[in-house]
Amino acid sequence: GAVVSQHPSWVICKSGTSVKIECRSLDFQATTMFWYRQFPKQSLMLMATSNEGSKATYEQGVEKDKFLINHASLTLSTLTVTSAHPEDSSFYICSASPGGRQYFGPGTRLTVT
Amino acid sequence: QQQVKQSPQSLIVQKGGISIINCAYENTAFDYFPWYQQFPGKGPALLIAIRPDVSEKKEGRFTISFNKSAKQFSLHIMDSQPGDSATYFCAATPNFGNEKLTFGTGTRLTIIP
Repeated sequence: GAVVSQHPSWVICKSGTSVKIECRSLDFQATTMFWYRQFPKQSLMLMATSNEGSKATYEQGVEKDKFLINHASLTLSTLTVTSAHPEDSSFYICSASPGGRQYFGPGTRLTVT
Repeated sequence: QQQVKQSPQSLIVQKGGISIINCAYENTAFDYFPWYQQFPGKGPALLIAIRPDVSEKKEGRFTISFNKSAKQFSLHIMDSQPGDSATYFCAATPNFGNEKLTFGTGTRLTIIP
């Protein structure tokens, strides 16, 4: 149990366009979801924390107008990268928590050309 | 004070040997210390975790040793196998539950035959 999915697993977009990444908890209700970014050979950096029905809390240095997070239900959170640029290319990972430990998704590889 | 320092950055161990990865923290409010295993292109997966009320936790070939006074904890992988080759991250959080995780910098482990 406790499976978290992400869609898409891999996306390529042109510079200036927006891309949406979905994170779903498949068999539990997630009161809190987290979004991380990971550059090659680096650690996970928390971008934001979201609670269902509330505005996301962004980490220092993360542009909230660029990385839009919506946690509309207890099983779905979305991250929209607006006006993407090549420097936004990264591995984006979500995690979901029903209270207690976090369960991580498989990640989404974003490449901006 | 929020940092978690992890060493070594990379580690090569012979098959059957013991792999040891160390982490240190400053924030005494941390009370949950998980270890994650990550394969290339995948999300991290929880390996084992410990609370500060115990000094050691063992699950199969994986053991966490915890030294509260020194604010250090380590992962020991016994009888290391080629399938253990991955990147390992330690992490810490002040509130087991919905609080954000602070990750270490990661250790790339390679098990050689």
